[in-house]
Amino acid sequence: AQTVTQSQPEMSVQEAETVTLSCTYDTSENNYYLFWYKQPPSRQMILVIRQEAYKQQNATENRFSVNFQKAAKSFSLKISDSQLGDTAMYFCALLPMDSNYQLIWGAGTKLIIKP
Amino acid sequence: DTGVSQDPRHKITKRGQNVTFRCDPISEHNRLYWYRQTLGQGPEFLTYFQNEAQLEKSRLLSDRFSAERPKGSFSTLEIQRTEQGDSAMYLCASSFNRRTSELEQYFGPGTRLTVT
Repeated sequence: AQTVTQSQPEMSVQEAETVTLSCTYDTSENNYYLFWYKQPPSRQMILVIRQEAYKQQNATENRFSVNFQKAAKSFSLKISDSQLGDTAMYFCALLPMDSNYQLIWGAGTKLIIKP
Repeated sequence: DTGVSQDPRHKITKRGQNVTFRCDPISEHNRLYWYRQTLGQGPEFLTYFQNEAQLEKSRLLSDRFSAERPKGSFSTLEIQRTEQGDSAMYLCASSFNRRTSELEQYFGPGTRLTVT
């Protein structure tokens, strides 16, 4: 079975600090994508960052970057210079390419940025 | 393009009533997904369409749930004889899977259903 595990139900940091959210996954497929989605309180789910499994280089999007360790099946999200607007639920998701393109979701991490 | 839209945003209904939700995907997207999300949890897959064809339906999905996507554009999700356990946020997402560079799903704002 393919799974995604987020071991941190909740985290909180001070504004401007750096925070890392962890995600591990399990799949037997070689070709897949990984995503981090953000869901602010009472607002819609938005894509933060994506990583193709065949790429060794870690993806970055402004203050957001990932540490993709394929052998360890780890996909952590680092948020630098955190801002109040980063307060949200963060979901890690796995998209196996060789199956039917179904997203497999982690349970989420609630991130609170304190002023 | 204005993104994925859903209607209504909120629905309150009495137990036993039928409800229907609508999703309008991003116009060129060929895949459309329905999810259910309860508070503090990740989305739970319900069903998805490629164009007008419904390709998969969750085994956990009751027969009271049905979805359509006529003409491969908008989609509707109907819940018959609603139960209190159906109370949740219903999310719609769309994607364009003809290019591997564009596989991510884009989500709508959701329809929050409350069954009293």
